[in-house]
This record gives sequence, C-alpha cells and structure tokens, in this order.
Amino acid sequence: DTGVSQDPRHKITKRGQNVTFRCDPISEHNRLYWYRQTLGQGPEFLTYFQNEAQLEKSRLLSDRFSAERPKGSFSTLEIQRTEQGDSAMYLCASRLGEYTDTQYFGPGTRLTVL
Amino acid sequence: GNSVTQMEGPVTLSEEAFLTINCTYTATGYPSLFWYVQYPGEGLQLLLKATKADDKGSNKGFEATYRKETTSFHLEKGSVQVSDSAVYFCALSDRSSGGSNYKLTFGKGTLLTVNP
Repeated sequence: DTGVSQDPRHKITKRGQNVTFRCDPISEHNRLYWYRQTLGQGPEFLTYFQNEAQLEKSRLLSDRFSAERPKGSFSTLEIQRTEQGDSAMYLCASRLGEYTDTQYFGPGTRLTVL
Repeated sequence: GNSVTQMEGPVTLSEEAFLTINCTYTATGYPSLFWYVQYPGEGLQLLLKATKADDKGSNKGFEATYRKETTSFHLEKGSVQVSDSAVYFCALSDRSSGGSNYKLTFGKGTLLTVNP
C-alpha cells in the first residue's frame, strides 16, 4: 500500500496560464475527492468521483476548473487561465467503498500564481 | 448545511501538559466525526474517528468522544510531546447528504506548538 500520491508537489505559474495536477489514489479505492486548502483555513470540498463518474461538484469549482478520472484510476484537475486567487494547496483523497467513510489524503500540490 | 467550529489557535503548551482542542458541529443528518493532523509540509493524516453517539476514538494517546447532546467532539491528550506540534482539523462526514458521497466538512484548524 503506497498511499495516495500527487504530482507535482509544487507548481509556480504566471497568471493566465493553464495548469494540471495528477492524483493517484490507493489502488483498490474507487472513490476519489479533490479539496482546496487556502492559508489558515481547513480544506474545502471541490469534487467527487465514484469510479470514472464525477458525481458531485462544488460551487467553488468554477468553469475554469475541470476534473477527470478516466478508467476510474488516476485523476487530473486542470485549472485554465489561472488567477492569483487560485493560489492554494490542492488535496486529493481516496476512499475504499460504499460502507467506509474514512478518506486518506495525499501530500497535496501547492499552487502559486504570480 | 453542515459546519464545524474549532477553538481558535494557536495553542502553545509545554511538554507533558494536558491538551484540549474544542470542536462543535452542525449537521443535518448522522455524521461520522474525525480528527485529522497536518504536520509541516505534509498532507492530512487521520488521527482518530467516531461513527456514532458516545463512541470514543483514540490513537497515539489522543482521545475524542462523540457527544450528540452537545454536538461536540473535543480532542484531548493527557501529556503532549514536542512531536505533537502540528495543525489539528476537526471534520465531519454526513452519510445522509446527497447519497453516499461522504464528503468532508472541516473546521479551520488549530495550530498546536509544544515547547520542550
């Protein structure tokens, strides 16, 4: 069990550029979540996948954000036309199945938009 | 909607002191309650959980009891160590909201610093 991994760990970009983050969940986990954590705050829910289906999106996920989980394995989160307000830690978490509610988190990707 | 309120930090203690971090919640359904810990530069790690009223979660000397009557889940440790210095997050997962997505709602976090 290698845990949840995220790549890259850090990303610095200029305003207006597009960025993409990757999350690899624990191998047998079919539920996957993305959260955003800004400085001094707790993580906030962005979106949820069950296998390859995106079942819920937060209002925080503007139309510049898109997430995918092809084949129900790894997931990507893309931010288009980045803004300084997008600077945050983006956390991925996975969960085993329908009757377990414990989520396991990756180390996060820290995005800085200049 | 769901919400979690944690005591404001930062909290600074001396080694071997008693720790309490207060957490209260509001939920429309029947939540599970969690404490996660975040060490500097790392992601969130599950510290302990409780899934129903009067359950006590415990791990590494930390404890928290699910109190439905007071909607609370306070974190306690009898004797803190320098290595416990981290940010602690209280969270809930509402199993009745919108199906089985079990998304987490977090408090703002409490920074704990333990001095030798």
